[in-house]
Amino acid sequence: SQTIHQWPATLVQPVGSPLSLECTVEGTSNPNLYWYRQAAGRGLQLLFYSVGIGQISSEVPQNLSASRPQDRQFILSSKKLLLSDSGFYLCAWSFASGNTIYFGEGSWLTVV
Amino acid sequence: RKEVEQDPGPFNVPEGATVAFNCTYSNSASQSFFWYRQDCRKEPKLLMSVYSSGNEDGRFTAQLNRASQYISLLIRDSKLSDSATYLCVVNNGANNLFFGTGTRLTVIP
Repeated sequence: SQTIHQWPATLVQPVGSPLSLECTVEGTSNPNLYWYRQAAGRGLQLLFYSVGIGQISSEVPQNLSASRPQDRQFILSSKKLLLSDSGFYLCAWSFASGNTIYFGEGSWLTVV
Repeated sequence: RKEVEQDPGPFNVPEGATVAFNCTYSNSASQSFFWYRQDCRKEPKLLMSVYSSGNEDGRFTAQLNRASQYISLLIRDSKLSDSATYLCVVNNGANNLFFGTGTRLTVIP
């Protein structure tokens, strides 16, 4: 069976500091990978998705970036965090030909 | 207009009650539909897919009305453990997955 894991689970970062969230998927090959953000009281916002190594599509302009250095690894980064970057970040995956996505446990980011 | 709209609630119902949520979507060409459940401060988890003919999974029934562009979720015999936020999700294909903001349900003893 497939599993997805992301870390860290929670972090508190000062404004202007860098960010790195990591996500890995096991039990499948060539999955589609996604990063979502859920701000307080708001719906899930797609930030990035990837259909293969090195292939990243950005959905919204922001100071975040994503990378996929390996088939089942997806990384969300920022060079300088803003207060507005606070939120619940979720990594997710789907089969390449599928339409159902499965989420990791999420990472709570508080920028202070 | 939002791609997916849901009544945010909250819905407060007693144990054993039947409760229904609706969700409307704007794109008539939408292909796939789902309900996810999200517990407080946790990740969303797939509850069930929604099929054109309607489908049931235990106490949960999902229905799709393409003509009116809405999907529904019915929960019978509510349990305390059903308390959560229920997210309506619509897939328009090509990685176009749209989430509603969720409907919050609280089941009261």
